This record gives sequence, C-alpha cells and structure tokens, in this order.
Amino acid sequence: GNSVTQMEGPVTLSEEAFLTINCTYTATGYPSLFWYVQYPGEGLQLLLKATKADDKGSNKGFEATYRKETTSFHLEKGSVQVSDSAVYFCALRIIQGAQKLVFGQGTRLTINP
Amino acid sequence: EAGVAQSPRYKIIEKRQSVAFWCNPISGHATLYWYQQILGQGPKLLIQFQNNGVVDDSQLPKDRFSAERLKGVDSTLKIQPAKLEDSAVYLCASSPGAEPGREQYFGPGTRLTVT
Repeated sequence: GNSVTQMEGPVTLSEEAFLTINCTYTATGYPSLFWYVQYPGEGLQLLLKATKADDKGSNKGFEATYRKETTSFHLEKGSVQVSDSAVYFCALRIIQGAQKLVFGQGTRLTINP
Repeated sequence: EAGVAQSPRYKIIEKRQSVAFWCNPISGHATLYWYQQILGQGPKLLIQFQNNGVVDDSQLPKDRFSAERLKGVDSTLKIQPAKLEDSAVYLCASSPGAEPGREQYFGPGTRLTVT
C-alpha cells in the first residue's frame, strides 16, 4: 500500500539552527510528494512539492529533494526562525486512481529565541 | 480570494448524538475533500467529490458517516450516531480539479469532541 513515515517529534531547536525533518515513503505507483505546514490555529498550507525524481521543491527557505533511490523527501532549512514553529506533514499523491493525498503523522517543531 | 470556509469551528456532543459539519469551498473549485485528523496523526481522506459526484469514499465509515454535495458547491458531513473514537478535527479542502499537480486548499477545520 501507500504510506508515509516521518521522524518522531516534537523537535525543539534554537533560532538560526539547521533543520532536518526526515520523511520516507512507500508507494505502489509514481507519487508526487508534498510538505504541508499547519501553524497554530490555522489550516494546512502547502509548503512545497516535487512531482518527479530528483526534483527539488523550495519555498520560504525550506527545501526538499525527491530521492527515488532512497524513497525519501527530507525537509531542510538552513536557519530557522521562531515563526517557523508549526506542525509539518509530509504527504504523497499517486497519479493513478483516485489520486488522494496520504499524509504522515506530522512533526511538531518548536523554535526557541 | 476567499478561502475554504467551515462551520462550526468547535463542537462538543455526547456519544450516540448526531452532528453535521458544513464546508464552502473556494469559488469555482470542482473537487472537494473531507479529511479526518485524529490527534497526533496526519489527516485521513474520508470522501472526495468531483462536482456533485463521489470519486472516493473507500475510508468513510458508511454505517455512521454520510456526506453530500448536492449542487456541486457546498458540502455537509454528518455523523449519526457519534462514537468516542470520532473525536477529531474534520478538515475540508478544495482544488480546481483532481489532477495530481493541483494544490488542495484546506479550511481551518471543525474540532469535534465526543464525550
């Protein structure tokens, strides 16, 4: 089946630290990969996406590269800010069939000043 | 552009009662989704509509959950009767179409507590 596994949270970092949130996936087809972010009290927002192997998605200083050989889509940011505190979800979407999003369990990130 | 609207934002009911949630998608979006997000888990798709037709309801507990999108715009999700394990945030999302690259836009969610 199709599934996404994220690194366990919560993750707590100091401002300006380097961030990595690991994400690996299992898919029966050729998925598109996504990172969504959920800020406190708000709905899910698309952060970045990649639709094929070796694509790099980027937004707001965050990056993730679609690695087919390791079935991974790790989220990175070189210097985090307090405003990056949120819950981050990795997700995949299969091209065939109903094309629904399958989410990981989420990783709560807290950035301390 | 107005986002996806959901109401109510919070609801507390007792088990065996019924409850309904409402969603108004972004204007012109043909595809509408309902997700269930249990605390500490990622959202799980319950049902997907394309206009007013159901595309995928494979994970909808049909013995107690129902959803409709009669005019291809607004949608309601109903639970009857509710169980304790239905406590979750119910998210509505919409997209212009169902193509893989289309972004889904999420509403703020309805937090349901069943006591």
